[in-house]
Amino acid sequence: GNSVTQMEGPVTLSEEAFLTINCTYTATGYPSLFWYVQYPGEGLQLLLKATKADDKGSNKGFEATYRKETTSFHLEKGSVQVSDSAVYFCALKVTGGYNKLIFGAGTRLAVHP
Amino acid sequence: GAVVSQHPSRVICKSGTSVKIECRSLDFQATTMFWYRQFPKQSLMLMATSNEGSKATYEQGVEKDKFLINHASLTLSTLTVTSAHPEDSSFYICSASPGDRADTEAFFGQGTRLTVV
Repeated sequence: GNSVTQMEGPVTLSEEAFLTINCTYTATGYPSLFWYVQYPGEGLQLLLKATKADDKGSNKGFEATYRKETTSFHLEKGSVQVSDSAVYFCALKVTGGYNKLIFGAGTRLAVHP
Repeated sequence: GAVVSQHPSRVICKSGTSVKIECRSLDFQATTMFWYRQFPKQSLMLMATSNEGSKATYEQGVEKDKFLINHASLTLSTLTVTSAHPEDSSFYICSASPGDRADTEAFFGQGTRLTVV
């Protein structure tokens, strides 16, 4: 079946620290991969996506590379800010899945000044 | 970018009453919309897939008579929590996509926090 596994949080960092949030997946077929971010009390916003192997999605300083050989899509940012504090969800969608997103458990990030 | 609007953002209701939540795609048509439930500090749990013009498809363990879904048009889906009880208190989120491809972004509503007292 299709599933997404994320590293457990919370992740607590100081401002300007390097961030990595691990995400691995299992999928039948060839999935598209997404990272969504949820700020407190809000819905989800797309952060970045990648649709084929070796694609790199990037946005707001965040990056993630679609690694088919390791079935991974780790999220990274070189220098986090307090405003990055949120919950980050890794997700996949497969062709023929009626746009159904499969989410990981979410990783809460807290960045302190 | 595309916008999905969810209303209301917060609702408090008495136990035993019903609550309707609306999800609208403002600038695109969506034959399929999705309803999620999120418990505090947890991931999103897909409740059901709302299909325009046909019955919703519910995930295992979700009571279809409890959570009524109506997808009356290509831009509107509603979720009605019937005979609500305190255990139904949660954060409900809808999503929709402007296309059916796997690489199409899903847009999410801002969520509805339901509190049943």
